[in-house]
Amino acid sequence: GAGVSQSPSNKVTEKGKDVELRCDPISGHTALYWYRQSLGQGLEFLIYFQGNSAPDKSGLPSDRFSAERTGGSVSTLTIQRTQQEDSAVYLCASSLIGRGNTIYFGEGSWLTVV
Amino acid sequence: DAKTTQPPSMDCAEGRAANLPCNHSTISGNEYVYWYRQIHSQGPQYIIHGLKNNETNEMASLIITEDRKSSTLILPHATLRDTAVYYCIVRVPLKAAGNKLTFGGGTRVLVKP
Repeated sequence: GAGVSQSPSNKVTEKGKDVELRCDPISGHTALYWYRQSLGQGLEFLIYFQGNSAPDKSGLPSDRFSAERTGGSVSTLTIQRTQQEDSAVYLCASSLIGRGNTIYFGEGSWLTVV
Repeated sequence: DAKTTQPPSMDCAEGRAANLPCNHSTISGNEYVYWYRQIHSQGPQYIIHGLKNNETNEMASLIITEDRKSSTLILPHATLRDTAVYYCIVRVPLKAAGNKLTFGGGTRVLVKP
């Protein structure tokens, strides 16, 4: 597609339930990033995938958070046993690796845990 | 990645040029300067980036000082739709590394009629 696509755009879930958020990166982009942004806060890095390399998981806040990237394209961010503090917009981004390496963001998935 | 310093907020008049400063005094030789903006409730939008030469595209111009310790993003004719938080980020876009973007507080720009 033309840009980074994320789904769902909005998700309301009950505390304790698991959620999956999906990201389709820009076609041909080898690097994929997940960020989150709580209301009124800055962007917080979560995880990064690049090709077949081991992902950089240094930003994941707890072991309830995990992410996969299948076939080097689509990625799924999973949050288990959601808590109210998980409420945020989850942003996916992708880039080519090379000169400039500009990172492009999707519009995010808004998660509300009630 | 080098730390950047931006004013927390600024106002500008619609139709006038908006000049957004950024200090990055600890920038190293292979670090690029990137600018993004985030309009309320949207994902960050890439604006422009540069290494040492001034750059211009359809959205903005980027002026980097000769010593590369500061830069200015110029929006030539600000519109109300340019109201956003603007982030200045420096990073090394290595081929084999992730080099995630590290966002600071940015500058909250309010374009007024």
